[in-house]
Amino acid sequence: AQKVTQAQTEISVVEKEDVTLDCVYETRDTTYYLFWYKQPPSGELVFLIRRNSFDEQNEISGRYSWNFQKSTSSFNFTITASQVVDSAVYFCALNSNYQLIWGAGTKLIIKP
Amino acid sequence: ETGVTQTPRHLVMGMTNKKSLKCEQHLGHNAMYWYKQSAKKPLELMFVYNFKEQTENNSVPSRFSPECPNSSHLFLHLHTLQPEDSALYLCASSQRASGEQWSEQYFGPGTRLTVT
Repeated sequence: AQKVTQAQTEISVVEKEDVTLDCVYETRDTTYYLFWYKQPPSGELVFLIRRNSFDEQNEISGRYSWNFQKSTSSFNFTITASQVVDSAVYFCALNSNYQLIWGAGTKLIIKP
Repeated sequence: ETGVTQTPRHLVMGMTNKKSLKCEQHLGHNAMYWYKQSAKKPLELMFVYNFKEQTENNSVPSRFSPECPNSSHLFLHLHTLQPEDSALYLCASSQRASGEQWSEQYFGPGTRLTVT
């Protein structure tokens, strides 16, 4: 069965702290893709990153970094030096066998 | 206009009304999607159109009827809805290359639907 688990329902940190959002997935496929999306209060889902199952290199984009570990079926997302504008709901998703499976999302609150 | 646009942004309708949601993508993509987002539930895929052909219909009630007249426009026709259909309806588009699984999807701002 395909499944994405974001166990953290809500995280609240003070601005400038680092924060990691967890994503654990289940799939029997050997080829799959993982995604992270951000949904700010305005409602629009914003694509952040796509990673395929053959590429286990970690990726950094400014204050954002992603840690893909196939051994633990995890694709965690870290925000360094968080800012108030990072407040949003973050979704992890798995594409496998032409289906896109979404996690329930983690609400991130950054307090000034 | 850029990206994916959706109209209206907010809609209140009675259970006997008929209304339509509109989505337009300005990205030159060949696939479009309708999603339903309810509070405290994962995002639910409703319909997928690939090159204007419907390829997915995830057991959506017939009171929701999609229409894709061309690769840039997608509609969701609504009739005799129920209060539990109140949700945020999101449209997305992507560029699906031959033989490739889903590429990243780009979303519109959504239509907040309230059924009274």
